[in-house]
Amino acid sequence: DIVMTQSPDSLAVSLGERATINCKSSQSVLYSSNNKNYLAWYQQKPGQPPKLLIYWASTRESGVPDRFSGSGSGTDFTLTISSLQAEDVAVYYCQQYYSTPPGYTFGQGTKLEIK
Amino acid sequence: QLQLQESGPGLVKPSETLSLTCTVSGGSISSSSYYWGWIRQPPGKGLEWIGSIYYSGSTYYNPSLKSRVTISVDTSKNQFSLKLSSVTAADTAVYYCARQGSDYAVSRHWGQGTLVTVSS
Repeated sequence: DIVMTQSPDSLAVSLGERATINCKSSQSVLYSSNNKNYLAWYQQKPGQPPKLLIYWASTRESGVPDRFSGSGSGTDFTLTISSLQAEDVAVYYCQQYYSTPPGYTFGQGTKLEIK
Repeated sequence: QLQLQESGPGLVKPSETLSLTCTVSGGSISSSSYYWGWIRQPPGKGLEWIGSIYYSGSTYYNPSLKSRVTISVDTSKNQFSLKLSSVTAADTAVYYCARQGSDYAVSRHWGQGTLVTVSS
């Protein structure tokens, strides 16, 4: 099983500042035949289901503000919010969809708050 | 617009079977482009994939739950269902249904979730 580990567990950032969340997989999620990383990021606000933000590690979902960006390859990935807005307060999860599809596994989540 | 809605009892007794149904509207569950999955989230904790089903009836389960899980599909009703047997307090969670792509398994569409509490 691929284990996803996020850091930090929680993060407090001032409005307008950059927020960075890291995700590490226990094995590579880069599929060599298509050179794609099977890694997604979700945002979850209280009382709501998760919302897909980014897939293929760096492809922004339609309608997601461009202040959200994803980077990384292989086993190490980052979600960056370039200028934190109040509405970005949420828990963020990374997800791998590389192993045994359609199954997937999530990181433990990172809680993002306003400083 | 695609919508998914979970339904079922909110309270289940220990050792009994949890049963939930997901009703899909605004799209066909018989599409070859998607899987239909169940994911759960214990209160205050993270997300766990339970299993998925294809319209043909092919099923895929989380190995950690496989012995207790059954997922089925009813294409005539545009629904799919989850049964989890021998439940304990550790199965208390918000249960979500979601659509997953068949080419890559991310979930763009989710139900709102339903809280199931296991308690006597």
